[in-house]
Amino acid sequence: KAGVTQTPRYLIKTRGQQVTLSCSPISGHRSVSWYQQTPGQGLQFLFEYFSETQRNKGNFPGRFSGRQFSNSRSEMNVSTLELGDSALYLCASSLGENSFYNEQFFGPGTRLTVL
Amino acid sequence: AQSVTQLDSQVPVFEEAPVELRCNYSSSVSVYLFWYVQYPNQGLQLLLKYLSGSTLVKGINGFEAEFNKSQTSFHLRKPSVHISDTAEYFCAVSTQAAGNKLTFGGGTRVLVKP
Repeated sequence: KAGVTQTPRYLIKTRGQQVTLSCSPISGHRSVSWYQQTPGQGLQFLFEYFSETQRNKGNFPGRFSGRQFSNSRSEMNVSTLELGDSALYLCASSLGENSFYNEQFFGPGTRLTVL
Repeated sequence: AQSVTQLDSQVPVFEEAPVELRCNYSSSVSVYLFWYVQYPNQGLQLLLKYLSGSTLVKGINGFEAEFNKSQTSFHLRKPSVHISDTAEYFCAVSTQAAGNKLTFGGGTRVLVKP
């Protein structure tokens, strides 16, 4: 069974640009969560989608947005990039709605560098 | 809101020695607790989790953790480490209301020396 895939794996952008990252969950999984990982702030929750609906959102500015498609694939978008957006962006997929019942599986991440 | 504190940012340890990674959490409601490992240039992999029941939880790769409600701790242990255990380890907490949202600690980097 294929794992969670994230594309692209590496990305370099300049300040002010926008970027779209993609996550394909494990087949059959309906939940996709996104996390930002930086050396200073650690792992921070961005948002979660389940069956195309955003269920939960972290404390990030509106420049960070996401969506989920009917096949459960998810994209996140960051507009007007800032230097501080440089990070590893991790996607996690899960079968169901609650971590009590279902393990979350993480992808390898997309490393975004903003110059 | 929940929070997680990992008391050690780095832990050097010799091969075949035991290791303990400390994790304390704060929450006003019942929690689920997790330990994840991250190898270089990879995503996170679940080592073990505590949902309810027995406070001693056994995970993969010989790791175990003990939930202590009175001390709000969930320390991770391995009796004998290998070079391949060199990685970063993250403690995380969730709740019934949080769905799939995980709140992570700052991580502990384990360096196993020969």
